[in-house]
Amino acid sequence: LAKTTQPISMDSYEGQEVNITCSHNNIATNDYITWYQQFPSQGPRFIIQGYKTKVTNEVASLFIPADRKSSTLSLPRVSLSDTAVYYCLVGPRMDSSYKLIFGSGTRLLVRP
Amino acid sequence: DSGVTQTPKHLITATGQRVTLRCSPRSGDLSVYWYQQSLDQGLQFLIQYYNGEERAKGNILERFSAQQFPDLHSELNLSSLELGDSALYFCASSVEDNSPLHFGNGTRLTVT
Repeated sequence: LAKTTQPISMDSYEGQEVNITCSHNNIATNDYITWYQQFPSQGPRFIIQGYKTKVTNEVASLFIPADRKSSTLSLPRVSLSDTAVYYCLVGPRMDSSYKLIFGSGTRLLVRP
Repeated sequence: DSGVTQTPKHLITATGQRVTLRCSPRSGDLSVYWYQQSLDQGLQFLIQYYNGEERAKGNILERFSAQQFPDLHSELNLSSLELGDSALYFCASSVEDNSPLHFGNGTRLTVT
């Protein structure tokens, strides 16, 4: 099962670009990389998903190098409302051990 | 609005009691997942169902059980409740294995 490693916390200021990197050294061929955002007392919210290279949507960009052993979530011009916990997930595994595990996530604090 | 509905929003009960949490997935989603999140803790995967069948099991206690019904809604049953079971319980749904999860707003369980 692919395990992910993220920084525990990050600080930023309004208007800056924030890059959160996730390591997943034993990612499998069938695995996708998905990022979620969670505010206190709310369920996680899907941000972006990718398999390789670069994916961009209206909220964020996801950069995945060729070896897929890491990925970087890029949040352009963050605001105070982007303060949240960000989770990187790798999965699924198309076998009986399939389960989606959230790690500890990265606590992003955006300061004025 | 994720389209995933969880009821009730809040539940207060006493130790030793039994409760049932309910989840209605997004229309068209076949998979339902249950997660537990204690105060300041990460999301703990409990169990997943796909089209009525158990698909994967995480760290779910024997006192807990779940099922997915033919109409695809799911229930999580928690029995012999202990103080440590107090937590937010989230349900999520997805169309298929590679699809992002969509979370409900959770049920906050308080065991006194």
